[in-house]
Amino acid sequence: DVKVTQSSRYLVKRTGEKVFLECVQDMDHENMFWYRQDPGLGLRLIYFSYDVKMKEKGDIPEGYSVSREKKERFSLILESASTNQTSMYLCASQSLGPSEQYFGPGTRLTVT
Amino acid sequence: RKEVEQDPGPFNVPEGATVAFNCTYSNSASQSFFWYRQDCRKEPKLLMSVYSSGNEDGRFTAQLNRASQYISLLIRDSKLSDSATYLCVVVLEYGNKLVFGAGTILRVKS
Repeated sequence: DVKVTQSSRYLVKRTGEKVFLECVQDMDHENMFWYRQDPGLGLRLIYFSYDVKMKEKGDIPEGYSVSREKKERFSLILESASTNQTSMYLCASQSLGPSEQYFGPGTRLTVT
Repeated sequence: RKEVEQDPGPFNVPEGATVAFNCTYSNSASQSFFWYRQDCRKEPKLLMSVYSSGNEDGRFTAQLNRASQYISLLIRDSKLSDSATYLCVVVLEYGNKLVFGAGTILRVKS
């Protein structure tokens, strides 16, 4: 079974704090993704990566950065958290090709 | 116009009912299509792929209409456990980028 884990299920941070969200997959997948999910807007792609040390901007990269130092780990960084970054953050992994994406359980981030 | 549009619902149906959801997409070059299911406070999971010829998996049938740029999901004999949000997913022609619709909420009641 594919397993994608995320470092926290719930997180509360203050405005201006630096926030790290970690994602680890155990299936040796090449592709990894970070989404945020908000009511009525669905999943929106923040960043994705096709290989170690490689990253591509998604649809809403502003205010975020990512790091992929190892194949199994993809980190999302909020350099200076703001209240409009309060959301559910979902990480996904995928093997090569337009195939199924496997999601982690999500991190519900609240920025106060 | 959104790349993928779905009726948000909710669809409230009794057990045993047949229910259908439609989803429209804007990019005519889209190549692959999926339906994902997301339970409350859970992550999305693949329900089924959608093929040009249509495909069926038990009580679930997915259809693709390329000319009109929509895909559909039909659920027969609805069960309480079918209550969830159903996400329409379109793969753009380039790369592996999946575009998700906002989801359709289904509530099956006894």
